[in-house]
Amino acid sequence: TQLLEQSPQFLSIQEGENLTVYCNSSSVFSSLQWYRQEPGEGPVLLVTVVTGGEVKKLKRLTFQFGDARKDSSLHITAAQPGDTGLYLCAGLRPGSSNTGKLIFGQGTTLQVKP
Amino acid sequence: DAGITQSPRHKVTETGTPVTLRCHQTENHRYMYWYRQDPGHGLRLIHYSYGVKDTDKGEVSDGYSVSRSKTEDFLLTLESATSSQTSVYFCAISGRDRVLDGYTFGSGTRLTVV
Repeated sequence: TQLLEQSPQFLSIQEGENLTVYCNSSSVFSSLQWYRQEPGEGPVLLVTVVTGGEVKKLKRLTFQFGDARKDSSLHITAAQPGDTGLYLCAGLRPGSSNTGKLIFGQGTTLQVKP
Repeated sequence: DAGITQSPRHKVTETGTPVTLRCHQTENHRYMYWYRQDPGHGLRLIHYSYGVKDTDKGEVSDGYSVSRSKTEDFLLTLESATSSQTSVYFCAISGRDRVLDGYTFGSGTRLTVV
């Protein structure tokens, strides 16, 4: 059983469309992070959210942390082919703040067609 | 400017042979992690280290051992490789603020056990 469930697992859209990726859990997290990974490379951190209800924007990407700190979403406005990649959410459980051990979701593969 | 490098990038090995993967960092960070990435599972923690000679197990540690004799090097050994250990292995370092800074990942090692 995955502690962090991402949905959808695959998404194929046309350039210019909007999309939302969800990261859900029944457990509370101290923080939630979103990473983007391109083929043949390691994941790269996009954002960290730590406060329930927090919203962060990174150009066309909007990240939200749920009020209860159990879930998060990533919304992309007007997707571009350069957004293509694997998006991973990762959470830090309250007891793991000292060790920094992250729990990852399964990932969402996004393909944006020109 | 990678700060963290993994070697080798690709390896094919035979069942039953020992294999060692290397992770080298130039950031002088205390915490280092080994994850494996498999389709449908996201990234799963194998082992982590919180200092020289200080290591602990992650969720999928069976069949793996690690060593850290210097701050900059974290080695992952598959004691007797099996086909189920075919995977992409990522090393990561944690930022100084383990809640906010997230991970910096290496580029990964693709290991195939035949």
